[in-house]
Amino acid sequence: DADVTQTPRNRITKTGKRIMLECSQTKGHDRMYWYRQDPGLGLRLIYYSFDVKDINKGEISDGYSVSRQAQAKFSLSLESAIPNQTALYFCATSAEGAQGYTFGSGTRLTVV
Amino acid sequence: DQQVKQNSPSLSVQEGRISILNCDYTNSMFDYFLWYKKYPAEGPTFLISISSIKDKNEDGRFTVFLNKSAKHLSLHIVPSQPGDSAVYFCAASSIQGAQKLVFGQGTRLTINP
Repeated sequence: DADVTQTPRNRITKTGKRIMLECSQTKGHDRMYWYRQDPGLGLRLIYYSFDVKDINKGEISDGYSVSRQAQAKFSLSLESAIPNQTALYFCATSAEGAQGYTFGSGTRLTVV
Repeated sequence: DQQVKQNSPSLSVQEGRISILNCDYTNSMFDYFLWYKKYPAEGPTFLISISSIKDKNEDGRFTVFLNKSAKHLSLHIVPSQPGDSAVYFCAASSIQGAQKLVFGQGTRLTINP
């Protein structure tokens, strides 16, 4: 099994719909992150959590919310999806003090 | 405000030659730098890193060079192999930034036979 698992892998949804992307990890890491990748823009941080009771906004949090249900689970929600949220979304984890992340395989989201 | 910049969206190199990928940063507080490699339909995977107290780190065919005065780092791959074809992301972090990674835009490397 993968260390960081994202579901679904692909999703097409309609404008205005609520959608949740899920992430679970078996690394035992406290820190979890959600990034989105857009062509020409690289990876941009949406939200991050340093432990179960800690949630922080990243550089592009508008239109998104998150929930840290457990140490191993961190979900990202789009309350009312819009087309410019079409992107590749990545979840990542890291240990405190660690210098790098472990990424999931990504969720390709298309909002029509 | 792009704190980490990769100004070359793509690079094409012949197999066996050297590939040089470049990255510039603006935040002088960054103290750790990483390169990630990404294949299609996969998440980024860690490739190599360097601390700001060093100016070079080598791992097999991969070498990262850091020039702090120029706020510039580069990744050298030699010799380049077809399996190196991927998107490469430069990333940086700082203690002040709680070690969150800030990524560049990525460079798509294509190795031609």
